Amino acid sequence: AQSVTQPDIHITVSEGASLELRCNYSYGATPYLFWYVQSPGQGLQLLLKYFSGDTLVQGIKGFEAEFKRSQSSFNLRKPSVHWSDAAEYFCAVGGPGNTGKLIFGQGTTLQVKP
Amino acid sequence: GAVVSQHPSRVICKSGTSVKIECRSLDFQATTMFWYRQFPKQSLMLMATSNEGSKATYEQGVEKDKFLINHASLTLSTLTVTSAHPEDSSFYICSASHPVGTEAFFGQGTRLTVV
Repeated sequence: AQSVTQPDIHITVSEGASLELRCNYSYGATPYLFWYVQSPGQGLQLLLKYFSGDTLVQGIKGFEAEFKRSQSSFNLRKPSVHWSDAAEYFCAVGGPGNTGKLIFGQGTTLQVKP
Repeated sequence: GAVVSQHPSRVICKSGTSVKIECRSLDFQATTMFWYRQFPKQSLMLMATSNEGSKATYEQGVEKDKFLINHASLTLSTLTVTSAHPEDSSFYICSASHPVGTEAFFGQGTRLTVV
């Protein structure tokens, strides 16, 4: 079955600390992987995506993610978190040629302490 | 970047009435659009795939007669929630596949409250 798992429902980090949000996926074909961020009551903003090539991808707002096929993971990282990063983060998987049809993880709520 | 606009952003309706939500791609043509539903504190679940000029494809468990989808042009898809009930209250988000490139762009979502 195709699925995305974000093991951490809620994470709290101090401002300036590093961040890693976990994502594991199960997908039968070549996965196209995405990380989105959602502020309360808002739509989704794409942080970064992985289709092929270099397994370490850089995104907006200083985020990066690493694709590890052997672990079926696509973890999101940021070296130094800012208070404005507090939001809901979703990992999603889609397939080639159909990247609009996505399976989302449950989401991780990030809280940033001053 | 590409822009997808959803309207209205917030709507309150009475139980038994119908509500229409619009999803527009403002600066590109989208042959395919997608409708998602998000319950509070939960993830997004795909409801249906909207194809321009043809019938929508609904995910398992989604009532096609309750959630009517029309994709009459390359820039507009509409979702009509018919005979709405309080359990239909949710956040509905659309996305549109860009014809060039490899990603879809999301609207800002519509908060539907049925009273």
